[in-house]
Amino acid sequence: DAKTTQPPSMDCAEGRAANLPCNHSTISGNEYVYWYRQIHSQGPQYIIHGLKNNETNEMASLIITEDRKSSTLILPHATLRDTAVYYCIVRVSSNTGKLIFGQGTTLQVKP
Amino acid sequence: GAVVSQHPSWVICKSGTSVKIECRSLDFQATTMFWYRQFPKQSLMLMATSNEGSKATYEQGVEKDKFLINHASLTLSTLTVTSAHPEDSSFYICSARVASGTPGELFFGEGSRLTVL
Repeated sequence: DAKTTQPPSMDCAEGRAANLPCNHSTISGNEYVYWYRQIHSQGPQYIIHGLKNNETNEMASLIITEDRKSSTLILPHATLRDTAVYYCIVRVSSNTGKLIFGQGTTLQVKP
Repeated sequence: GAVVSQHPSWVICKSGTSVKIECRSLDFQATTMFWYRQFPKQSLMLMATSNEGSKATYEQGVEKDKFLINHASLTLSTLTVTSAHPEDSSFYICSARVASGTPGELFFGEGSRLTVL
């Protein structure tokens, strides 16, 4: 599975959009981009995933560049409860299903 | 989403004893479950893949005789830390994949914090 690169930390003001970048320049054509987050001392939580097209759900939006070498997770109106470590993971959908976590981005939402 | 429950959520034990952690899928059947370990301020590290009715597949560097995994039913996997030592103190997290769900959409338990004295 392709490796990802994320900034170690980011700050965001409460109520503003949080844009979390992820680079995955070695992504293959059949690899999906997944985003999870982990609030302190809890298990990770699935956020969203995509292959080529931009995706949106009730939690977030995922914007994938046309060359698929990078993506951005957007939390449209960040709240204090969105403070967490966000993980961007790239993997093939047809393998065993295991997820390999990188270091992620620690997002701090400030009042 | 699907619910995965772990028990106990925290446990303290003496060095040399064994500790069992349970992972249950509450509202779905999981043919595959995964066990992760997380040390403070670090990311999750995959330990092993647990398959119902067969032996677990361990990641490189994980001692299978120390971390015993049993996946006896479609809703339960257990991790037993045998002869625990202080360096085994960690946050253990399990996850499960819905058999008919989207690949990669894993559901995670709340985690079990183990402290070995």
